[in-house]
Amino acid sequence: EIVLTQFPDFQSVTPKEKVTITCRAGQNIGNNLHWYQQKPDQSPKLLIKYASQSISGVPSRFSGSGSGTDFTLTINSLEVEDAATYFCHQSSNLPAYTFGQGTKVEIK
Amino acid sequence: QVQLVESGGGSVKPGESLRLSCAASGFTFSDYYMSWIRQAPGKGMEWLSSISTSGKTVFYADAVKGRFSISRDNTKNSLYLQMNSLRAEDTAVYYCARVMGTLVWGKGTTVTVSS
Repeated sequence: EIVLTQFPDFQSVTPKEKVTITCRAGQNIGNNLHWYQQKPDQSPKLLIKYASQSISGVPSRFSGSGSGTDFTLTINSLEVEDAATYFCHQSSNLPAYTFGQGTKVEIK
Repeated sequence: QVQLVESGGGSVKPGESLRLSCAASGFTFSDYYMSWIRQAPGKGMEWLSSISTSGKTVFYADAVKGRFSISRDNTKNSLYLQMNSLRAEDTAVYYCARVMGTLVWGKGTTVTVSS
């Protein structure tokens, strides 16, 4: 099983600040890493696919980078509506997908 | 657009069974692998099971192997998860997901296992 370790677990941020979330894989997964946003009582929404590819309809303030074992999700100029839990997901080791434990972003 | 709607969740006692269903629409169901994923209270996502497009190949996480069974009916655009011998630790929100590298998720259905 490929373990994904995400940090930090929690981040309290003021609007317009930059947020950086890291996801570290236990082994090389190439670029097979995706980021999702989940708000309370909602299903997860895809933000970034294959480490850095943008998704139609997702605001441009969300971006991703990395490859191999270290990946980053960046939210530039955080908005109030971005309060949510963010998690990573690897699709390298099919069919045993694994997920990061999540990072809760709170607005100060 | 793609829509996945889970149903069949509820409250049961340890040792009992439940069958979850997932109705798919907005895409050609038979073209995609499908998966079940769950999220226990306060925990991260956990992959449970996946099924091939034809239904002939299935995969399970160790946590549910031998207790849960995944199936699909491509004529009804539906995915199923038969859950037997349920335990307290199976309490979670259960999601079905369309698989294509990334995942498209349903809204989930809640399963509570408690005596």
